[in-house]
Amino acid sequence: EVQLVESGGDLVQPGGSLRLSCAASGFTFTSYEMNWVRQAPGKGLEWVAYISGYDGSIYYADSVRGRFTISSDNAKNSLFLQMNSLRAEDTAVYYCARISVDMIRGYFDQWGQGTLVTVSS
Amino acid sequence: EIVMTQSPATLSVSPGERATLSCRASQSISTTLAWYQQKPGQAPRLLIYGASTRATGIPARFSGSGSGTEFTLTISSLQSEDSAVYYCQQYNDWPPLTFGGGTKVEIK
Repeated sequence: EVQLVESGGDLVQPGGSLRLSCAASGFTFTSYEMNWVRQAPGKGLEWVAYISGYDGSIYYADSVRGRFTISSDNAKNSLFLQMNSLRAEDTAVYYCARISVDMIRGYFDQWGQGTLVTVSS
Repeated sequence: EIVMTQSPATLSVSPGERATLSCRASQSISTTLAWYQQKPGQAPRLLIYGASTRATGIPARFSGSGSGTEFTLTISSLQSEDSAVYYCQQYNDWPPLTFGGGTKVEIK
């Protein structure tokens, strides 16, 4: 069974840092493209960052580029998101999400349960 | 960036009736469109990809159609458990991957 389990969410002050983790199991981690997608309270879904398990390509949303860093540890089947210079508008549930292996890639076939990040003084 | 627009924002439908949700892309995306269902307190769940292909385990009452810039998700006979927010997402031209704002389906 495929599982994605996020952790690391917390209350942090503006300007602070936080590191999120996502533990993956039930599939070959290095064969997939992994992402962070967030959802502010009562709002819609926003893609945040991407990393390829097979070639290491990385992309970011404009809203987080330069502040967030996505990484992975293939030996531990884990995905990370280092979040620096946090702002109130980064408050959200952060989901770890897997892109499906398909001829045309880009949709998310597996999601974690999410971890809540609250940025407030 | 491709902007996705969903309508209506809220849809109230009686059990057993048909629900029709719309999604529009700001430019042509062929059929590179996915639909997700999200219930309160839960993660999104993939319903449809390729505009019309149901994901594994998704009931046949869910169907998707459209291509180019106009897409539709139809729930043929609404069940109480279908109460949720539905999101469309394009994957034709990325990054960024972009979502619509969502349609909330309520049971009348």
